Amino acid sequence: NAGVTQTPKFRVLKTGQSMTLLCAQDMNHEYMYWYRQDPGMGLRLIHYSVGEGTTAKGEVPDGYNVSRLKKQNFLLGLESAAPSQTSVYFCASSSPISGRTTDTQYFGPGTRLTVL
Amino acid sequence: SQQGEEDPQALSIQEGENATMNCSYKTSINNLQWYRQNSGRGLVHLILIRSNEREKHSGRLRVTLDTSKKSSSLLITASRAADTASYFCATPNNNDMRFGAGTRLTVKP
Repeated sequence: NAGVTQTPKFRVLKTGQSMTLLCAQDMNHEYMYWYRQDPGMGLRLIHYSVGEGTTAKGEVPDGYNVSRLKKQNFLLGLESAAPSQTSVYFCASSSPISGRTTDTQYFGPGTRLTVL
Repeated sequence: SQQGEEDPQALSIQEGENATMNCSYKTSINNLQWYRQNSGRGLVHLILIRSNEREKHSGRLRVTLDTSKKSSSLLITASRAADTASYFCATPNNNDMRFGAGTRLTVKP
């Protein structure tokens, strides 16, 4: 049982390039999330999904797109990377007993992205 | 915007001492969670306390919640070097969770 995994672990992009970050979970969780973490700040939610085929915007969605074609996978895309998107990206999943998105979340190890 | 804010931003103690971190939040909540993050790793859930609970224990962790003051505290007793990490509180915000900026705890051997 691997939990939540993220691919890749590190990536360097040039301004304007595109890339996709992959998150996979094997816990059969309904809900999945993408966060970014910047120095001195907590995690900020980019997008989330409450089920296969659904996505919703979080606190800082601009410049990112997501897709949830399969329940176990949640993809985060950057169409035209900017230096302001240099950050550590974390994926998380949860399976709320109460039907809310606000129960315990399980995190992946993170992807460190640098945009030059 | 951040919902929870931790205090202090950084804390340095000797092994064996207790560490106390505080979290303040702004709106009414149904639960509050604490997470730990070791350097370069993802967050790990420590404990969840519901709004109708005042105190909760898990091993060497003790969490309190005061909904009238909109605050929570995390106490780590008999700290160990392995407790060195950042600790975050998280509170519900509509359909998602909001995390504070964290308290960086250093436990010196």
